[in-house]
Formats: sequence, C-alpha cells, structure tokens
Amino acid sequence: SQTIHQWPATLVQPVGSPLSLECTVEGTSNPNLYWYRQAAGRGLQLLFYSVGIGQISSEVPQNLSASRPQDRQFILSSKKLLLSDSGFYLCAWSRRGVGYGYTFGSGTRLTVV
Amino acid sequence: QQQVKQSPQSLIVQKGGIPIINCAYENTAFDYFPWYQQFPGKGPALLIAIRPDVSEKKEGRFTISFNKSAKQFSLHIMDSQPGDSATYFCAASIGRNFGNEKLTFGTGTRLTIIP
Repeated sequence: SQTIHQWPATLVQPVGSPLSLECTVEGTSNPNLYWYRQAAGRGLQLLFYSVGIGQISSEVPQNLSASRPQDRQFILSSKKLLLSDSGFYLCAWSRRGVGYGYTFGSGTRLTVV
Repeated sequence: QQQVKQSPQSLIVQKGGIPIINCAYENTAFDYFPWYQQFPGKGPALLIAIRPDVSEKKEGRFTISFNKSAKQFSLHIMDSQPGDSATYFCAASIGRNFGNEKLTFGTGTRLTIIP
C-alpha cells in the first residue's frame, strides 16, 4: 500500500532563517506531488506541484521554492523565512495522469517568530 | 472557471440532525467530485467522492447529491454525531487529464455537532 511521510510535525523558526520541509511517498512510482499551505481557519492554497523529477510548477509567487530531487521526494524550502510564512503545510500525492485519489500527509505546523 | 464555491463557511447542528454543505462549480469539464474531512492538526482525508454519471452516492452516514444541470453538489451527514465535528472541503477535478490533474478545492466548512 502507498504511504506518505511528512516531517517535521512541528517547527518554530526565527524570521530570516532557512526552511526545509521534506515529503516522501512509498509504494508507488511516478506520483504527482503537491505542496499546500493552510492558514489558521482557512482553506487549502496550492503552492507547488510536480509531475516528475525536476519538474516544478509554482501556483503562487512567494518566498518559498520547491524541488523534487528524486521520484518520490518533494522538498519545500525558503532561504529567509518571513512572519507571513507561518501556517500548516501539507504534502499530497496522486497518481500520474489521474485527477483523483489525492492523499495528504499529516502536515507540518510552521511558526515563524 | 476553475473555482469551486462552498457554503456555508461554518455550521452548527445538534446531534442527530442532518448538516448539509453545498458546492457549486463552473468548469463543465470537471468529472470527479470528492469531499475531504479534516480534523484539527491533521491532513485532510478523503471521505467520499462522486462522478457525474450518478445523482447520488451513499457511504455509511455520508451522502453526496449531485445535480449536473445546476453544476452543484452537496454533502449530507445523516444522524450526525459530535465525532463528525471537523472541517469539510469539497473539490473537483478532471479525472483523466495528463499533466493537469490538480484538484480545485472549496474554501471549507467548519462543522460543529453539539450534543
């Protein structure tokens, strides 16, 4: 069966510090991968999605970047965090070529102080 | 055209009642309509989904009603329980569209079931 791992679960970082959140998927190959952000009490904002290694599409211009160095690994990064980067970050995957069956990770709660 | 509009933003229902959450879409190419349930501090989890070739789908106490002509779909929770208190998201996508499989999410409904 397929599983998605996301870490860390909680992170407190000072303004101006770098960020690296990692997501990995097991039990499948060639997945589509997604990064979402959810502000407190708000909806799901798609940040990045990837259909393959090195292929990243950005949905919202911002202080963040994403990379996909391996087929089942998706990384969300920032060189210098802003207060506005605080939120709940969710990784998700779906099968290539299929727009259903999204599975989300358990999320990372990021607080920038 | 890619938006999915969800209402209400929040909903309080007494235990045993039937909360109803509504969504509307514009893109007639959408052919997959899931609902996700999210508990605080957790990622959303797929609850139930429907395709436009049927008007209703039931899974346990959860029912999706689908109106293709009106481009609307809704979630009904029968015999609601306090454990159903969560945020619910509707979504839509084009099921098989290589390279554009993104789900478009509604803005979410915070449901509270009071004892």
